[in-house]
Amino acid sequence: NAGVMQNPRHLVRRRGQEARLRCSPMKGHSHVYWYRQLPEEGLKFMVYLQKENIIDESGMPKERFSAEFPKEGPSILRIQQVVRGDSAAYFCASSPLKDRSNTEAFFGQGTRLTVV
Amino acid sequence: AQSVTQLGSHVSVSEGALVLLRCNYSSSVPPYLFWYVQYPNQGLQLLLKYTSAATLVKGINGFEAEFKKSETSFHLTKPSAHMSDAAEYFCAVSGNSGGSNYKLTFGKGTLLTVNP
Repeated sequence: NAGVMQNPRHLVRRRGQEARLRCSPMKGHSHVYWYRQLPEEGLKFMVYLQKENIIDESGMPKERFSAEFPKEGPSILRIQQVVRGDSAAYFCASSPLKDRSNTEAFFGQGTRLTVV
Repeated sequence: AQSVTQLGSHVSVSEGALVLLRCNYSSSVPPYLFWYVQYPNQGLQLLLKYTSAATLVKGINGFEAEFKKSETSFHLTKPSAHMSDAAEYFCAVSGNSGGSNYKLTFGKGTLLTVNP
């Protein structure tokens, strides 16, 4: 059983470009979470998704950021018109449907976004 | 609302010495508590978790943590440090009731250095 797969592992974008980060949850997991880790900071919650539904996006910046988890395929975190302040590590986690309190979440290895 | 404070952003120990990493939390609901380890350029790996069963929790790699409600603490310990323990450690809290109990709140992390 493969773990949570994120790609790419490293992504470099110029200011103003778009960044697309992908996350494939573990097999059998229905919940996907995205977290952002800024330098010398802990992880901050961004968004919680289930298939075709955004459950909680209270941690997402109001502009330029969006997330989806389609019926087929991976979850996508999309950042439009990137700025240097978006440089961070973005982690995805997934958990099983029955795990209402997220005690069984597994994290991917992250995508490290660098904006130049 | 929940928060996590990790005392000491950097802890240095000698190989074979006791490891003690401190974590204090605040939570308006009974908490679930977690310790994660992050090796350089890697994702987060769960070390152990408290989910309201035994207050002394044993995890992987010889680590353990004790939930002390009166002190709102969940300190991580290991009797004898190994060089391979050098990494960053994150304490996290989620709630076991309420609408957003899936949301993990992380501390800023403690970087553990092990000296030969």
